[in-house]
Amino acid sequence: QTVVTQEPSLTVSPGGTVTLTCASSTGAVTSHYYANWFQQIPGQAPRPLIYSTSNRHIWTPDRFAGSLVGGKAALTLSGAQSEDEADYYCLLYFASSQGVFGGGTKLTVL
Amino acid sequence: QVQLQESGPGLVKPSQTLSLSCTVYGRGSLSSSSYYWTWIRQPAGKGLEWIGRIYNAGIVYYNPSLKSRATLSMDMAQNRFSLNLTSVTAADTAVYYCASGDFDIWGQGTLVAVSS
Repeated sequence: QTVVTQEPSLTVSPGGTVTLTCASSTGAVTSHYYANWFQQIPGQAPRPLIYSTSNRHIWTPDRFAGSLVGGKAALTLSGAQSEDEADYYCLLYFASSQGVFGGGTKLTVL
Repeated sequence: QVQLQESGPGLVKPSQTLSLSCTVYGRGSLSSSSYYWTWIRQPAGKGLEWIGRIYNAGIVYYNPSLKSRATLSMDMAQNRFSLNLTSVTAADTAVYYCASGDFDIWGQGTLVAVSS
């Protein structure tokens, strides 16, 4: 069973920068995993932020950036704001077909 | 503007089949709005789970952990795609979402409870 791993929790100061990562149990994550990132504020539906590793949706603030770092997919938030406090989920596709979500990262802005 | 709306029973008995549909509304049809469509679910207080994806061409990919209980299908004439999940248990209680393509459009989500 393929496992996708994220940091359970991270804390960032207002205005600071933080990087969330998304690792695969099968090895290094590449562009062929088409990483997606989602933000979910408790009580709300998930909101997609990034698709295909680094592409922002039209509503995604440019302080969010997707990339590959050290064999993992990464979501970097630069200039954190209080409204960015949420759960963040990554989604990887294996063999370009089957998707697997990570367990999520709870981001605190404090 | 295209919108998605899930529909189906909110309560299903254990061992029965959960059936949900996602209808595409607004400008465009199922085939012109996106190349593929995805089902996702989220149990209360837990993370997201990818259920499966269906392409307009009829190709379907499933989450192996569902052990062949899931079936995705499309009805072009009705502008909708569907999820059937057989032999449900309490573990299948969740909010179910449908989404288009690169998740640019989502349904509002529908809560399905499995209980006798």
